[in-house]
Amino acid sequence: EVQLVESGGAVVQPGGSLRISCAASGFSFKDYAMHWVRQAPGKGLEWVSLISRDSSITYYKDSVKGRFTISRDNSKDSLYLQMNSLRTEDTAFYYCLREYYGQYHWGQGTLVTVSS
Amino acid sequence: DIQVTQYPSSLSASLGDRVTITCRASQNINDNVAWFQQKPGKAPKSLISAASSLQSGVPSRFSGSGSGTDFTLTISSLQPEDFATYYCQQYNRPPLTFGGGTKVEIK
Repeated sequence: EVQLVESGGAVVQPGGSLRISCAASGFSFKDYAMHWVRQAPGKGLEWVSLISRDSSITYYKDSVKGRFTISRDNSKDSLYLQMNSLRTEDTAFYYCLREYYGQYHWGQGTLVTVSS
Repeated sequence: DIQVTQYPSSLSASLGDRVTITCRASQNINDNVAWFQQKPGKAPKSLISAASSLQSGVPSRFSGSGSGTDFTLTISSLQPEDFATYYCQQYNRPPLTFGGGTKVEIK
């Protein structure tokens, strides 16, 4: 069974940093591109970032460029999102997604709250 | 960036009704559209990829169509478990973008 389990969500002060993780199991992690998507409480879905299978290609939403870094460790079947200079508008559930030609599998999400 | 406009933002329907949700992209995205269902307090679930390909385990009352800029998600006969919020997404090229969502409520 495919499983994506996010962790690391926390309450952080504005300007702070946080790294969230996604542990993958039940499939060959190295064979899939991976994404982070977020959802502010009560709001819609917002794509954040993607990384290719071998980490050679990454993309980011404009508002997080230069602040967030996506990475993966295929030896540990894990995906990461390093978030720096956090803003209140980054408060959201962060979901890890596996993608294969537009077919997605979602994790359950981890909550990041940016508040003083 | 490619903008995706989804409508209606909400609708009320009865059990057994046929429901159609539309997404329009600001430029040609071929068939690179996915549809998702989200229930309150839960992670989204994938329904359709490539505009019309049903994901494994998704009931056949769900269907998708369209190509280019205009896409639709149709539920042929609304069931109690279908009351949820639905989102489209273009994945033609980054940044990937979602529609604003359609909340399907009970009439």
